[in-house]
Amino acid sequence: AAGVIQSPRHLIKEKRETATLKCYPIPRHDTVYWYQQGPGQDPQFLISFYEKMQSDKGSIPDRFSAQQFSDYHSELNMSSLELGDSALYFCASHRVGSYEQYFGPGTRLTVT
Amino acid sequence: SQQGEEDPQALSIQEGENATMNCSYKTSINNLQWYRQNSGRGLVHLILIRSNEREKHSGRLRVTLDTSKKSSSLLITASRAADTASYFCATDTKFYFGSGTKLNVKP
Repeated sequence: AAGVIQSPRHLIKEKRETATLKCYPIPRHDTVYWYQQGPGQDPQFLISFYEKMQSDKGSIPDRFSAQQFSDYHSELNMSSLELGDSALYFCASHRVGSYEQYFGPGTRLTVT
Repeated sequence: SQQGEEDPQALSIQEGENATMNCSYKTSINNLQWYRQNSGRGLVHLILIRSNEREKHSGRLRVTLDTSKKSSSLLITASRAADTASYFCATDTKFYFGSGTKLNVKP
């Protein structure tokens, strides 16, 4: 069965650079969530989209922005990267009416 | 927030033993889910229990929910070394995760 796809899987950036992470949800899933998980930390909810509109906002820094496109894929844009942004970034998708989220494998971002 | 908080934070047992992890949350929920995460890997959905359910089974997993105490427990029976992972509970569709229980099953 198709799963959530995230790209790239690994990304190394320098401080003050920008990064774009991509998420491709499971077909027919209309909701996408983004999470950040620092080393040894629990996942923190960043932002979610339903039908291309932002549906909820968590602890997403102002330096980050995200959107969901007409094909339901989502991109997380991160600017002015800081060392503390080094983390695993997960995307998850689900279909409205179903409570189960399906997580992607994550993108490991390292900021040097 | 509706964060779940897991207890204990770390648990080390021998293969074959049962492992029980607890989760408490703060507000009313529609459902509670348990996830598993292998080190540095993605989160895998294990089981969902709805607020009107008290107990649910799935294979070697047993989940209970006490909405009056705002708590849930995950029991893994006959644990295996492959069960070694972090286990998180998450509430509702906002999916605020607790800090996780790190389970180590020794062969």
